[in-house]
Amino acid sequence: KNEVEQSPQNLTAQEGEFITINCSYSVGISALHWLQQHPGGGIVSLFMLSSGKKKHGRLIATINIQEKHSSLHITASHPRDSAVYICAVETSGSRLTFGEGTQLTVNP
Amino acid sequence: NAGVTQTPKFQVLKTGQSMTLQCAQDMNHEYMSWYRQDPGMGLRLIHYSVGAGITDQGEVPNGYNVSRSTTEDFPLRLLSAAPSQTSVYFCASGLINTGELFFGEGSRLTVL
Repeated sequence: KNEVEQSPQNLTAQEGEFITINCSYSVGISALHWLQQHPGGGIVSLFMLSSGKKKHGRLIATINIQEKHSSLHITASHPRDSAVYICAVETSGSRLTFGEGTQLTVNP
Repeated sequence: NAGVTQTPKFQVLKTGQSMTLQCAQDMNHEYMSWYRQDPGMGLRLIHYSVGAGITDQGEVPNGYNVSRSTTEDFPLRLLSAAPSQTSVYFCASGLINTGELFFGEGSRLTVL
């Protein structure tokens, strides 16, 4: 079993829909990261969380440390949100372990 | 700021050849790291560094060497390339404990 599990692996939505991507992990962490990989391959950092909730524009990330679970929500989804979303957990010494990613496609 | 600069973007090697992937950042970040990305496996940490003179192994370090003689540079060396090292490689940097990671554009390596 991987230390970081993401679900779903693939997600197709219609423009405007509310989207949730889940990340579960099995180890003790110091922080959790959400990343976005564009169709061209570039990777950008969206959030780092160690507790609670963060919001940036239409993106919201939450984490429940006790349940070892995080969610990434996208409100009012748009075709430009189509990308791979990657969850990564940070353990002691700044080591990162990644989930396999969730491929999101938003259709107009 | 140029951000994180990775070179080369593409490289084809023959088995047994050596090469160095370069990674440089101009943001004075303590943390630098190398990952490989393979289909169906996600990103995997190869080596990382939390400051000049400090390096540590990640999940898949075998076949790769790194050094961190300056804050700015973190080269990844393949001493004797193998077909199993065919992958896309990413370098990333960041300030420890502040969260945001900055990734290079990636380097696609093919070993024949």
